[in-house]
Amino acid sequence: DTGVSQDPRHKITKRGQNVTFRCDPISEHNRLYWYRQTLGQGPEFLTYFQNEAQLEKSRLLSDRFSAERPKGSFSTLEIQRTEQGDSAMYLCASSSAPTGAWETQYFGPGTRLLVL
Amino acid sequence: DQQVKQNSPSLSVQEGRISILNCDYTNSMFDYFLWYKKYPAEGPTFLISISSIKDKNEDGRFTVFLNKSAKHLSLHIVPSQPGDSAVYFCAASAGTALIFGKGTTLSVSS
Repeated sequence: DTGVSQDPRHKITKRGQNVTFRCDPISEHNRLYWYRQTLGQGPEFLTYFQNEAQLEKSRLLSDRFSAERPKGSFSTLEIQRTEQGDSAMYLCASSSAPTGAWETQYFGPGTRLLVL
Repeated sequence: DQQVKQNSPSLSVQEGRISILNCDYTNSMFDYFLWYKKYPAEGPTFLISISSIKDKNEDGRFTVFLNKSAKHLSLHIVPSQPGDSAVYFCAASAGTALIFGKGTTLSVSS
């Protein structure tokens, strides 16, 4: 299967702990996105990479959140000093589109985070 | 302030009938629209898309219609099947980030 993969699928942590999630995009996709989904809502954009450059960050991405894509392949999303409000499904998506073309984003299975 | 709205939280349809899911948007800068299907505990799966230069796009049982003047799009599923039961999200883009609606839960009964 060559779709988007995410690890871990589930994470339970205590408030104040740090957590890190990994996303492996579809091979050769140059764009990678992170979204967050809470119960009853649609996914909300967090941040976006083109190759290794982080080009856009949502105001939802507080200072406790950091994302990297060091070699333009996989990406990590770290949450420091987790809070109960961080409990959500964290989704990764990737796409490949020439500049100016409409792009379709393909999503991974998500990482469900529960902060106790 | 929601830029993409799916005003029907749920829809129930009988197998073989047509399912129509609706979506409204407010931002006239959106130029690409997508529908995703989501099962519990899984990520959204891409279904079909339409660009702002078209008013209809068809793929098998799925057809998306876009009415730019009304800022409205709809997804038609014909015929509906029990396996179509899921949450359907409408999403819109003005470049990179997708803006999603809250979803409509479709239940198809046999």
